[in-house]
Amino acid sequence: NAGVMQNPRHLVRRRGQEARLRCSPMKGHSHVYWYRQLPEEGLKFMVYLQKENIIDESGMPKERFSAEFPKEGPSILRIQQVVRGDSAAYFCASSVTGQGEYSPLHFGNGTRLTVT
Amino acid sequence: GENVEQHPSTLSVQEGDSAVIKCTYSDSASNYFPWYKQELGKRPQLIIDIRSNVGEKKDQRIAVTLNKTAKHFSLHITETQPEDSAVYFCAPGTGGGNKLTFGTGTQLKVEL
Repeated sequence: NAGVMQNPRHLVRRRGQEARLRCSPMKGHSHVYWYRQLPEEGLKFMVYLQKENIIDESGMPKERFSAEFPKEGPSILRIQQVVRGDSAAYFCASSVTGQGEYSPLHFGNGTRLTVT
Repeated sequence: GENVEQHPSTLSVQEGDSAVIKCTYSDSASNYFPWYKQELGKRPQLIIDIRSNVGEKKDQRIAVTLNKTAKHFSLHITETQPEDSAVYFCAPGTGGGNKLTFGTGTQLKVEL
């Protein structure tokens, strides 16, 4: 089992550009979560998705951020018109089951976004 | 929302000593209590977790204790080794635990 795969590992964008972060969950996992980690801080929940559905996006900024998890292919976290404050590590996690059931989260290695 | 605090924020111990990190939370609905270890530049890794119907759980040198009445749970590491050096996060959750609220982390340094 390859684990949760995220790419790219490092991403540099200029202010105003778009950033697209990809996450392939572990085999057999259909629940995906995105977390953001600022330097020397804990992880902050952003969004929880199942295939083709957003279940909880309470942690997503209202503007410029969007996420999807299509029927085929990886989950995508998209940040439009990036600003310096978006610089952070973005971690994806997956689980076998979703909320209401106990199922550990398995994290990917993250994408480190730097906005110049 | 859930307010999660960890103490201490940094902890330095001698190899072989024990380390204890405490996590307090505010949401009485929390029912899942994991601890994650994160080495520099790497992903968080689950090291131990406990559910609300259990007061204590042990896995070799690592244990977690839960006091639901007081809304805190603690990570205990015995016989610490240099490879235990990392940042440790508590991350209480509700509804089965998959929406986790991470604490601010404790930097543990195990010195030779």
